[in-house]
Amino acid sequence: GQNIDQPTEMTATEGAIVQINCTYQTSGFNGLFWYQQHAGEAPTFLSYNVLDGLEEKGRFSSFLSRSKGYSYLLLKELQMKDSASYLCAVRDLITGGGNKLTFGTGTQLKVEL
Amino acid sequence: DTAVSQTPKYLVTQMGNDKSIKCEQNLGHDTMYWYKQDSKKFLKIMFSYNNKELIINETVPNRFSPKSPDKAHLNLHINSLELGDSAVYFCASSRDPLSYEQYFGPGTRLTVT
Repeated sequence: GQNIDQPTEMTATEGAIVQINCTYQTSGFNGLFWYQQHAGEAPTFLSYNVLDGLEEKGRFSSFLSRSKGYSYLLLKELQMKDSASYLCAVRDLITGGGNKLTFGTGTQLKVEL
Repeated sequence: DTAVSQTPKYLVTQMGNDKSIKCEQNLGHDTMYWYKQDSKKFLKIMFSYNNKELIINETVPNRFSPKSPDKAHLNLHINSLELGDSAVYFCASSRDPLSYEQYFGPGTRLTVT
């Protein structure tokens, strides 16, 4: 099974940088994902890491260390619209060739002026 | 153009009733999913279908029965609704079972009274 841990909430200032950490334990790791979910809306895909290292995508970057079971999402030049829940998710390969995504409980980020 | 759509958006019903939620995707994807997000915002996989065949069936009560009439549609029927079924149900799709990006529908907020 999986165990995914991330902080429940964080607060940061507009224009600043924030790092949201995620630790996980899993038996059949096949990728780590970050999704963004605004209140009352659907989750939207942000990033995907399957190999160790940093993936950069505009203002957002995601890092993975498989040996440590650790990832972080880095958000730069924070904007008010970045206030949302950030969900860490781990993918496992399953019997039959499919994959299963298990989500953490999410980190509620509040961006203040 | 709506990629993944769900109906209804809101559903309020009484305990013991049977209800269905419909999901359609126009992305040409082969794989579709149902997730449940509870009041604590925990997002959990329930079912997944690939080309109309069930590939993920998590431990959910057998009151929940998914049906995929074709690969663009995945419906969820719930019998004998209980208070604990109150949640937001998200449908999602991906190109295939191994694709890293899942596209989520807008969600159906189910309230059982």
